[in-house]
Amino acid sequence: TQLLEQSPQFLSIQEGENLTVYCNSSSVFSSLQWYRQEPGEGPVLLVTVVTGGEVKKLKRLTFQFGDARKDSSLHITAAQTGDTGLYLCAGLYGNKLVFGAGTILRVKS
Amino acid sequence: DAMVIQNPRYQVTQFGKPVTLSCSQTLNHNVMYWYQQKSSQAPKLLFHYYDKDFNNEADTPDNFQSRRPNTSFCFLDIRSPGLGDAAMYLCATSSRTGPGANVLTFGAGSRLTVL
Repeated sequence: TQLLEQSPQFLSIQEGENLTVYCNSSSVFSSLQWYRQEPGEGPVLLVTVVTGGEVKKLKRLTFQFGDARKDSSLHITAAQTGDTGLYLCAGLYGNKLVFGAGTILRVKS
Repeated sequence: DAMVIQNPRYQVTQFGKPVTLSCSQTLNHNVMYWYQQKSSQAPKLLFHYYDKDFNNEADTPDNFQSRRPNTSFCFLDIRSPGLGDAAMYLCATSSRTGPGANVLTFGAGSRLTVL
């Protein structure tokens, strides 16, 4: 059973466009993490959100945790080619980190 | 810099020939994980160690074994690799307590090819 649903699965956009990636669940998570993975490398943590309704900004990236702590979104403003990668959300469920299926983002110049 | 190091980065083996992948960490984290990741999919947890306690995922095949001789090192043994075991294998560490608890630090991965 997939606890975390990510959408879209694949996104191909032009440099300069905005985009949003969604991470949804019917389960409540104590926290949610977003990772970015470049080809041939391991995932790297971008942010952790803990409080329902929390919004965190990391330069052009804005992360939001839903009020009920069941969903999260990642919004990228003015995407750059360096944003290309696999974006993974992961929810903390007890002591276990549950990953979503990931969103492959390709930003074209 | 504190980090997670995986060796080798690339491993080619023959069908049925045992393989060992290694992971070392300088973070002094008490939890070490092994994940399998296939072509841009989400990492799939195989097992993890909490200190010396081994925790196997229910759907991890018996073909996969692990050893953690000390806090810093963890090994993944694939006893008889099949074609379906070709994947990226990711090692990760975390702490269960304190700031950053349950946040994973990943190694760069070991890509396994099975011929």
